[in-house]
Amino acid sequence: GIQVEQSPPDLILQEGANSTLRCNFSDSVNNLQWFHQNPWGQLINLFYIPSGTKQNGRLSATTVATERYSLLYISSSQTTDSGVYFCAGGDYNTDKLIFGTGTRLQVFP
Amino acid sequence: SAVISQKPSRDICQRGTSLTIQCQVDSQVTMMFWYRQQPGQSLTLIATANQGSEATYESGFVIDKFPISRPNLTFSTLTVSNMSPEDSSIYLCSVEGPGRNTEAFFGQGTRLTVV
Repeated sequence: GIQVEQSPPDLILQEGANSTLRCNFSDSVNNLQWFHQNPWGQLINLFYIPSGTKQNGRLSATTVATERYSLLYISSSQTTDSGVYFCAGGDYNTDKLIFGTGTRLQVFP
Repeated sequence: SAVISQKPSRDICQRGTSLTIQCQVDSQVTMMFWYRQQPGQSLTLIATANQGSEATYESGFVIDKFPISRPNLTFSTLTVSNMSPEDSSIYLCSVEGPGRNTEAFFGQGTRLTVV
């Protein structure tokens, strides 16, 4: 099956710093999405981005589908950005969503 | 987008008992999905629930352990049966938008601890 690797696995930042999270897919996927899981366990949609670039405030994402990767940029990080970030892509054969390994982000004041 | 209400948000249960998790969606959806997230791990799909038919389970998950109901197009339940400490996880329900190739939306999750 499709493997989804995220890097780095852990990231510690001071407030105000910028960061880039990466998501690599072992095969082509559809429905590529980024989520933020808050400390209470809820998954919040950040981006639906099968290709191209999108921006939402301090966050932006870029997907290069032909090279099977996606990037999530966080600028001017805040303590509320802490949590786990997951990317996920749909398997073309099954339409099921495959989740990445996650990046745990901690932002300190 | 879809708004999903999932409950309970958390529970602590004795081993050997069962817990039923409910998931209510604010719109009619064809498929609902149930995921498990073990501590420190990513999400794993348990099963897909279609209205009017048996749920489809992923490899490693069986109906006797995780029975699912889907009585209508806005509601589903997942039961974790005969629980053991290894069942301690976050359980999440999910739906996708209308049509194919759309984003997924998740309920708040149920944090289950089995003692």
